[in-house]
Amino acid sequence: EIVMTQSPATLSVSPGERATLSCRASQSVSSNLAWYQQKPGQAPRLLIYGASTRATGIPARFSGSGSGTEFTLTISSLQSEDFAVYYCQQYNNWPPGFGQGTKVEIK
Amino acid sequence: QVQLVQSGAEVKKPGSSVKVSCKASGGTFSSYAISWVRQAPGQGLEWMGRIIPILGIANYAQKFQGRVTITADKSTSTAYMELSSLRSEDTAVYYCAIQEDPVVTGWFDPWGQGTLVTVSS
Repeated sequence: EIVMTQSPATLSVSPGERATLSCRASQSVSSNLAWYQQKPGQAPRLLIYGASTRATGIPARFSGSGSGTEFTLTISSLQSEDFAVYYCQQYNNWPPGFGQGTKVEIK
Repeated sequence: QVQLVQSGAEVKKPGSSVKVSCKASGGTFSSYAISWVRQAPGQGLEWMGRIIPILGIANYAQKFQGRVTITADKSTSTAYMELSSLRSEDTAVYYCAIQEDPVVTGWFDPWGQGTLVTVSS
């Protein structure tokens, strides 16, 4: 089973600043990686799939990169609605697995 | 765009079972896979299993083998997740979510709104 590790656990960022979140896989997942955003009391929302393809309706300030074992989610200029928890998920191997999440909080 | 609507919150006793439903509207119910993912309070996301309704075939995470049963009723476009032998650690929000391509593992989109299951004596 592939283990997904996200860092940092918490990221404190000021509105308008750039946020960079990392996700590492215990073995290669090629580009079969997705990112989700979850706000309190809500279901997760798909942001990115295929490591770098934005899902429908996702603003261009969200971008994903990486392949193999190292991945990055970048939010170019944080808006108030972006403060949330972000999860990565690999779907290269069974079973699909999630990272433990990175909380992006207001600095 | 497919939308998923789940059944309401449940309170269960330890040792009992719970069955959560997930009704799909829009799209073609049988053409995708429906997974169940749970989230314990303050914790991350945990995949439990999935079903491909057109085939009626379900796969389960090893952790839940023997305790979870996922089914689908094509006539009502509804998927079900039943978890038995409940214990306090099963207290969580349970989500259903679609994987558009049933052939591959895939990402999850969209998600249901979640169902809180509380296990307490």
